[in-house]
Amino acid sequence: EPEVTQTPSHQVTQMGQEVILRCVPISNHLYFYWYRQILGQKVEFLVSFYNNEISEKSEIFDDQFSVERPDGSNFTLKIRSTKLEDSAMYFCASSTGPGTEAFFGQGTRLTVV
Amino acid sequence: AQSVTQLDSQVPVFEEAPVELRCNYSSSVSVYLFWYVQYPNQGLQLLLKYLSGSTLVKGINGFEAEFNKSQTSFHLRKPSVHISDTAEYFCAVSFGGATNKLIFGTGTLLAVQP
Repeated sequence: EPEVTQTPSHQVTQMGQEVILRCVPISNHLYFYWYRQILGQKVEFLVSFYNNEISEKSEIFDDQFSVERPDGSNFTLKIRSTKLEDSAMYFCASSTGPGTEAFFGQGTRLTVV
Repeated sequence: AQSVTQLDSQVPVFEEAPVELRCNYSSSVSVYLFWYVQYPNQGLQLLLKYLSGSTLVKGINGFEAEFNKSQTSFHLRKPSVHISDTAEYFCAVSFGGATNKLIFGTGTLLAVQP
């Protein structure tokens, strides 16, 4: 069964450093997403990406964040100058379009120290 | 404003008892509804979904949910729970639009006791 894969599963970084979280969406999907879940809290939408551009972003997704689809398979989230409050589980998801289910990866647990 | 509410943060229940996890949403447009389960230290797994058609939907692991448009609810039910059902359950809603983003509820911890 096709699945969304995320790497790494865990990432520890020093405050102020840049991190790149990687995702490989399901191959025939066209819509890609990043969500965040701070420990013990709900899952929050960060950004959606379609046709090689951001289609929607939340208030959380400020200039510190960026997304990219560098090739035909990967979808990345870059966090610049990380802060302690960026510590969270980051989920990548993909779908074929509106009105369809989103498939989630297993997540990357980011710890900023 | 569009929102999703899970009123119960935690639901304790004994094994083999029935359970209902509540989800309400606020929207003036058509919605797509989902329940996801998150086991400890794992990702999100889709339990079931309502996109259209029959308002009673069945999912994996014996769960089902009923879409009630007049009540704007999508409650999750299981007639007999197992210890292995202990997990966090998230209701999620897509309010349409071009991006199909999901808005999640705050989650309900289902704690099944022997």
